[in-house]
Amino acid sequence: QTVVTQEPSFSVSPGGTVTLTCGLSSGSVSTSYYPSWYQQTPGQAPRMVIYNTETRSSGVPDRFSGSILGNKAALTITGAQADDESDYYCLLYMGSGFYVFGTGTKVTVL
Amino acid sequence: QVHLVQSGSELKEPGASVKISCKASGYTFTSYSINWVRQAPGQGLEWMGWINTNTGNPTYAQGSTGRFVFSLDTSVSTAYLQITSLKTEDTAIYYCARPYATGKFCFDPWGQGTLVTVSS
Repeated sequence: QTVVTQEPSFSVSPGGTVTLTCGLSSGSVSTSYYPSWYQQTPGQAPRMVIYNTETRSSGVPDRFSGSILGNKAALTITGAQADDESDYYCLLYMGSGFYVFGTGTKVTVL
Repeated sequence: QVHLVQSGSELKEPGASVKISCKASGYTFTSYSINWVRQAPGQGLEWMGWINTNTGNPTYAQGSTGRFVFSLDTSVSTAYLQITSLKTEDTAIYYCARPYATGKFCFDPWGQGTLVTVSS
């Protein structure tokens, strides 16, 4: 069974930069997995922030960027703000109509 | 504007069944599939599968076969998730979500979620 791994948690200072990654238990993540990223605050539904590896969703600040770093998908927050404190999940398309979410990363801004 | 609105919270006993709904508006319902995602308390997101709103054909993730059934009523632009023989470990928030656009492998928008609590 495919496992998509993310860092459990990160702490970043206000104005700082943090890069979250999304890796596969076996193999490399590439653009062919169409990685997307979701931000979720407590009690709320997830909100898509990045799709197709690097495209920002409408209304998402440009401090959020997506990329492939090495063999993983990555979400970078540059100039973190207090309201970026959330859980972040990546989603990979595995083909044939199947998807897998990453394990999630809790980002704390302090 | 595209919206997915889900039915309200449910409290069920173990062994019972539940059917939650996801009503779509703002677009042609049969143009996009509906995906279902589960989130157990304090846990991460789990993709459960999707239903083709044109054909009604469901696709289930490996962990969602057997007791989970996706269905549709296209006349009211609504998708349903039924869970039978409920277990305490089915306690979770269940979300529906739509592909962002044709050919895009990502989900936006999402429903607000339906909390299903299974307890005796």
